[in-house]
Amino acid sequence: EIVMTQSPATLSVSPGERATLSCRASQSFSSNLAWYQQKPGQAPRLLIYAASTRATGIPARFSGSGSGTEFTLTISSLQSEDFAVYYCQQYNKWPYSFGRGTKLEIK
Amino acid sequence: EEQLVESGGGLVQPGGSLRLSCAASGFTFRSYAMHWVRQVPGKGLEWVAVISGSGGSTYYADSVKGRFIFSRDNSKNTVSLQMDNLRAEDSAVYFCAKVIVARFIDGAFDLWGPGTMVTVSS
Repeated sequence: EIVMTQSPATLSVSPGERATLSCRASQSFSSNLAWYQQKPGQAPRLLIYAASTRATGIPARFSGSGSGTEFTLTISSLQSEDFAVYYCQQYNKWPYSFGRGTKLEIK
Repeated sequence: EEQLVESGGGLVQPGGSLRLSCAASGFTFRSYAMHWVRQVPGKGLEWVAVISGSGGSTYYADSVKGRFIFSRDNSKNTVSLQMDNLRAEDSAVYFCAKVIVARFIDGAFDLWGPGTMVTVSS
């Protein structure tokens, strides 16, 4: 099983600033990685797939990068609605696996 | 509008059974693989199972293999998760989710239902 490790567990950032979230995989793969945003009481929402492709309707301030074992989600200028929990997920190999999440909170 | 809605959750005793359903609308259902993902409230996401668009292929997490069966009825645009021999650790919110690309079993999940809560307790 591919283990996904996200860091940091909690990230405190001020609105308008940049946030950088990391995800590391225990095995290397090319780009079968997704990022999701989840707010309390809601289902996850797909932000990024194929490591760097924004999903439909996702603002351009969200960007993804990386390959191999290191992946990054960057939010260029944080808006109030961006404070949430973010999960990475590999869909390269069964069983699919998620990271434990990064909670993005207001500083 | 694309939509998924789960149902069937509830309280069940350890060793009991429960059948979850997920009704889909707004897209060509038979063309898309579907997944179940679960989440203990306040915790992370755990992938549970996948079924191909035709229903001919299924894969399960080791934690549920041999106890859960994933099926679909393309004539009714629904998927079902039959959960037997339930354990306390199966307690979670169960989400169904759709794969982003048609005719591929692999892929990210671009549509999720709101989830249904399963509680296994005596």
